[in-house]
Amino acid sequence: DVKVTQSSRYLVKRTGEKVFLECVQDMDHENMFWYRQDPGLGLRLIYFSYDVKMKEKGDIPEGYSVSREKKERFSLILESASTNQTSMYLCASSFGASSYNEQFFGPGTRLTVL
Amino acid sequence: AQKITQTQPGMFVQEKEAVTLDCTYDTSDQSYGLFWYKQPSSGEMIFLIYQGSYDEQNATEGRYSLNFQKARKSANLVISASQLGDSAMYFCAMREGPDTSYGKLTFGQGTILTVHP
Repeated sequence: DVKVTQSSRYLVKRTGEKVFLECVQDMDHENMFWYRQDPGLGLRLIYFSYDVKMKEKGDIPEGYSVSREKKERFSLILESASTNQTSMYLCASSFGASSYNEQFFGPGTRLTVL
Repeated sequence: AQKITQTQPGMFVQEKEAVTLDCTYDTSDQSYGLFWYKQPSSGEMIFLIYQGSYDEQNATEGRYSLNFQKARKSANLVISASQLGDSAMYFCAMREGPDTSYGKLTFGQGTILTVHP
């Protein structure tokens, strides 16, 4: 079974802190994604990566950065957390560039910024 | 403009009945893919079904089927014989463009389905 794990299920941080969200997948997938999920807005793509050290901006990259030093690990970084970044963060991975490969998701990290 | 629209914020269905969750999409690409995911209250996203834009037949996976109407740009999910465990949030998603899009998905707002006993 494909497994995508995220470092924390729940996280509480203070405004201005640097926050790291880690995601690891164990199926050798090329593509990895970070989304945030907010009520009424669905999932919105923050960043994605199609190879080690490669990254592309998604629809809402402002305030975030990412790192992919190893194929299995994709990190989301909030350089200076703000209250409007309180959200559920979901990591996903998929195999190759083909259109019919579904994304496999991690359990999510619910981040609260106070 | 919204690329994926789910107009039903919430839906209710009796156990053992069928239910249709609506999804319309907007794209100018000829090649695209449509996905449905289920998100139970525990939070994990579960892939349900896929339909490619060139697939001539509607996709089916067990109790799930996708009513694909290309001209109307709709990709409705039909769940037959609803079960209590089907109560969840359901998301429609689309991948646009050729196969070098790296599988990026655009998601709709979601529909919360509640199955009554």
